[in-house]
Amino acid sequence: AQSVTQLDSHVSVSEGTPVLLRCNYSSSYSPSLFWYVQHPNKGLQLLLKYTSAATLVKGINGFEAEFKKSETSFHLTKPSAHMSDAAEYFCVVSDRGGSNYKLTFGKGTLLTVNP
Amino acid sequence: DAGITQSPRHKVTETGTPVTLRCHQTENHRYMYWYRQDPGHGLRLIHYSYGVKDTDKGEVSDGYSVSRSKTEDFLLTLESATSSQTSVYFCAISESIGGRQPQHFGDGTRLSIL
Repeated sequence: AQSVTQLDSHVSVSEGTPVLLRCNYSSSYSPSLFWYVQHPNKGLQLLLKYTSAATLVKGINGFEAEFKKSETSFHLTKPSAHMSDAAEYFCVVSDRGGSNYKLTFGKGTLLTVNP
Repeated sequence: DAGITQSPRHKVTETGTPVTLRCHQTENHRYMYWYRQDPGHGLRLIHYSYGVKDTDKGEVSDGYSVSRSKTEDFLLTLESATSSQTSVYFCAISESIGGRQPQHFGDGTRLSIL
């Protein structure tokens, strides 16, 4: 069975400082991993995805994530936070369950950016 | 942004009434999904569809039914709404169900059942 753990439910940073949102996963197969962002009253928007190609994945808005199989981690980073980054972030693993692929969502990390 | 429209965006109704939520896509994607989002639970899959008239259950399907008569429309019905079904409902679409294909989400429907 697959699972996703987002290690922090809330992260607070100052504008211009680095962002680190942590995600650990477990999977029986070679997973695909995604990060989504959700702004208030909006749907989830895809930030980036890992699908067994390069382990360092670059996404939109300056975000990137590194797949580390030995640590079963897929942490999301950004060098310098912007006020517009304030949102909730979801780590998602896609694994094969039976004949279908199943998405499992983490419970989310709320990112607050302080001026 | 993927062309996904959910309607209504907000609804308040009473326990025991039927409720239908609509998801409309303009991307011609084969796969469509209904999720509910609740605090502390992330997103949980209710039902999904892999083609016209082809649907299957997700992890929280009790109390919900779905229908897909056209590629572009996927309906979620609560036959007799209960307060535990108060939630935010999201529709998603994808080109395939392969693990490497991301899903794209609508803006959600906020449903309150009193």
